[in-house]
Amino acid sequence: GAVVSQHPSWVICKSGTSVKIECRSLDFQATTMFWYRQFPKQSLMLMATSNEGSKATYEQGVEKDKFLINHASLTLSTLTVTSAHPEDSSFYICSALRGGATQYFGPGTRLLVL
Amino acid sequence: EDQVTQSPEALRLQEGESSSLNCSYTVSGLRGLFWYRQDPGKGPEFLFTLYSAGEEKEKERLKATLTKKESFLHITAPKPEDSATYLCAVLMNYGGATNKLIFGTGTLLAVQP
Repeated sequence: GAVVSQHPSWVICKSGTSVKIECRSLDFQATTMFWYRQFPKQSLMLMATSNEGSKATYEQGVEKDKFLINHASLTLSTLTVTSAHPEDSSFYICSALRGGATQYFGPGTRLLVL
Repeated sequence: EDQVTQSPEALRLQEGESSSLNCSYTVSGLRGLFWYRQDPGKGPEFLFTLYSAGEEKEKERLKATLTKKESFLHITAPKPEDSATYLCAVLMNYGGATNKLIFGTGTLLAVQP
């Protein structure tokens, strides 16, 4: 299989705090991982592409200083939401690229900022 | 403009009632078309990849087909456990090493017993 995990699965935090979400490919190595955001009843919106050993590539309109991405190894990418505000509340999903074309997704992390 | 459109937005079927979901796309540089299933509160689950027009793939009650402009996901004799949102995504090559998936808005399928 191709298993991708995320941790935590949900998090509640106060406004102004930072939250780190981990994405791991458990049974394969992934030089490229992706971070998406999904609002209720909407489709996935790509936030950034994370490449192992290099800087992430952010989509237009995504603040790179607010959403810090680190892809430190071939099996781990992290997304840190800095100084989170209520409007950052969302469902964050990562994926890992396997075989050059297919993305396998994690189970998602639900963030609620109070 | 590159675009992926899915129809219908929602579909309600009786158990055993076969139907098809549509995904039409207008993109340049298509490298592949993907179908995913997403259950509420979970990440998408990979179903199929199609690379060229005329290609077909099957998995249990699901069959995906691809033409130059659209893809269909056929569901034969669905069961209640097939209820989910089905997402279509197109893989594009914008040059370099990055391969982006452009998602459609999904079809919410409800299969009633």
